[in-house]
Amino acid sequence: GAVVSQHPSRVICKSGTSVKIECRSLDFQATTMFWYRQFPKQSLMLMATSNEGSKATYEQGVEKDKFLINHASLTLSTLTVTSAHPEDSSFYICSARVSQDSGRGDQPQHFGDGTRLSIL
Amino acid sequence: RKEVEQDPGPFNVPEGATVAFNCTYSNSASQSFFWYRQDCRKEPKLLMSVYSSGNEDGRFTAQLNRASQYISLLIRDSKLSDSATYLCVVNSGYSTLTFGKGTMLLVSP
Repeated sequence: GAVVSQHPSRVICKSGTSVKIECRSLDFQATTMFWYRQFPKQSLMLMATSNEGSKATYEQGVEKDKFLINHASLTLSTLTVTSAHPEDSSFYICSARVSQDSGRGDQPQHFGDGTRLSIL
Repeated sequence: RKEVEQDPGPFNVPEGATVAFNCTYSNSASQSFFWYRQDCRKEPKLLMSVYSSGNEDGRFTAQLNRASQYISLLIRDSKLSDSATYLCVVNSGYSTLTFGKGTMLLVSP
């Protein structure tokens, strides 16, 4: 089955630090990957759509200068939380769709293991 | 109205019970639907896709009612390992997934 690997799984760091999270599709190519954030007892919220070779598309309210996304290859997307503060502490999850579907988005997304970010 | 609504629960059921979750969605143009399972502090994992004709996978049955804009998940013969949060997920466009907040299920011995 499709495997998406996310690293690191846990980060604890001081306020002001920048943190990079990697998302890799291990056995398939993903032209599009997605970054989500989940606060405790809340639903997953899409932050941005990462497109290989082009700029990411950010959801309303998500600061693109704060959350830098780089999708440099068909198997790797990175999210960098710049100058992280305690309010950025959350569970960050990436996902990717296995293959191009009919355009109706009817293929499910497969998720990485998630990264639990804690900013002190 | 929220885009995807679920009863947060928790649903407390004994082993062997049958339990059903419902989910409603607001966007009538939604194209595809999924149920994901999320264990505590873990990533969501696909449980099953939901088709118009309904689909069944072992003890799990999913149904879609487009006219009423709701999706259901039925779990028969509940196991302790079924304890988790079940996320209703709707794809309203090419790639945009909208997640419900999830319904928590607790299966007890």
